[in-house]
Amino acid sequence: LAKTTQPISMDSYEGQEVNITCSHNNIATNDYITWYQQFPSQGPRFIIQGYKTKVTNEVASLFIPADRKSSTLSLPRVSLSDTAVYYCLVGDIDFNKFYFGSGTKLNVKP
Amino acid sequence: NAGVMQNPRHLVRRRGQEARLRCSPMKGHSHVYWYRQLPEEGLKFMVYLQKENIIDESGMPKERFSAEFPKEGPSILRIQQVVRGDSAAYFCASSPVEGSNYGYTFGSGTRLTVV
Repeated sequence: LAKTTQPISMDSYEGQEVNITCSHNNIATNDYITWYQQFPSQGPRFIIQGYKTKVTNEVASLFIPADRKSSTLSLPRVSLSDTAVYYCLVGDIDFNKFYFGSGTKLNVKP
Repeated sequence: NAGVMQNPRHLVRRRGQEARLRCSPMKGHSHVYWYRQLPEEGLKFMVYLQKENIIDESGMPKERFSAEFPKEGPSILRIQQVVRGDSAAYFCASSPVEGSNYGYTFGSGTRLTVV
C-alpha cells in the first residue's frame, strides 16, 4: 500500500495558480494516482486521475514525472470556492480501499 | 440520479446505545464502501460490500461494528454499544464495478455524536 505525503496546508489568493505536490516514493507499477477534493461537511469529490505524464480536465491538471514518485495537482486561477482539503491517493485500478492520508488544506484568500 | 444518499445526516446517541447508518448507492451501482473520518484527519477505509456479500472488512473494528448490503434496500453500518470514541463522520461511497476509480461517488456522510 503506497502511502503519500502532502503539505499540511497552503495559502493562495484568488486568481492565482495553485500547485499541490504529493510524494509517493513506493508507488507500484500498477498504481494510479487520484486526487479528491473535500469541502467541510461533505464527502470527497473526484477531481482527476492519471498514470504518467500529464492529464488535464475542465477543473485541473495533473503532472506526473517519469519516475512517478511524485505528482502535482495544478488548479488554474483559484477562487474562494476552491478552499477545501485536497487528497492524493495511490492505488491499483482494482484496489478497493483508498488510503486518504491527511490531505492538504488549501485556503484561498480574497 | 440522486447520487449516494446517506441518512441520517446527524445522529446523536448516548453511550451504550446502538447507531444505524444507512447508505443508498447511486442507481446502477452494486459496490458500497464505508469510510470513517475523525476531526482533522483523512478518511479511513472500513468495509467493502457487494449485494449480500462482505468483500473486505479489514478496516472495521472486530467488535461492536457490523455492515450489510442486502439484496433489497440500503447498506447499513451498525455500531452497537457506542462509545465516545465512535464519534466521527461516516462516509459511504459506491461504484458500478470493482476498482472503478472514476465511478467512486461519495455521499455527504453521517455525523455521529456520542454523548
